[in-house]
Amino acid sequence: AQSVTQPDIHITVSEGASLELRCNYSYGATPYLFWYVQSPGQGLQLLLKYFSGDTLVQGIKGFEAEFKRSQSSFNLRKPSVHWSDAAEYFCAVGARESGNMLTFGGGTRLMVKP
Amino acid sequence: DADVTQTPRNRITKTGKRIMLECSQTKGHDRMYWYRQDPGLGLQLIYYSFDVKDINKGEISDGYSVSRQAQAKFSLSLESAIPNQTALYFCATSDPDRAASLPQHFGDGTRLSIL
Repeated sequence: AQSVTQPDIHITVSEGASLELRCNYSYGATPYLFWYVQSPGQGLQLLLKYFSGDTLVQGIKGFEAEFKRSQSSFNLRKPSVHWSDAAEYFCAVGARESGNMLTFGGGTRLMVKP
Repeated sequence: DADVTQTPRNRITKTGKRIMLECSQTKGHDRMYWYRQDPGLGLQLIYYSFDVKDINKGEISDGYSVSRQAQAKFSLSLESAIPNQTALYFCATSDPDRAASLPQHFGDGTRLSIL
């Protein structure tokens, strides 16, 4: 069975600082990996996804993520955080073999200090 | 208009009441899902349907039932609501033929509070 761990429940960064949100997954085959963002009162918005190919994936809003098979990780990064990035971030793993079922991590809540 | 629409957006009700949450989609996807979100637990799968005649239990189906009335509609019911079913509920869709390019699309959620 696939699983996803987001080790950091809360992270606080200063506006303009760099950001890295951690995501570790467990899955036997090559997974499909996703990052979603959820602003207060909103649904989930897809930031970026990895299926194959280049392990550094660019997403919306200036985010990127790197797939590292050796570390079973898919960490999300942003070089300079904006106050509007404050939200909850979810990593998810899926695979065609599992019927495109997504398994979500517990989420990381990002707070941005002025 | 949203591709995946959930109604109601918010609902407060009492213990023991029957509740139905509705989801409709305009994406033409065969697969639909119901998730529950609790703080610190991410999203957990309640039920999923791969087509109108195919309904499957997810991780946490106890206390819930679903109905796939049409390709575009997938309803979640709580037959006798209890307080620990207070949560944020999401409907999602996906197209298996394009699994590599279309991850699940989510509605804006239904916030359900059971007193």
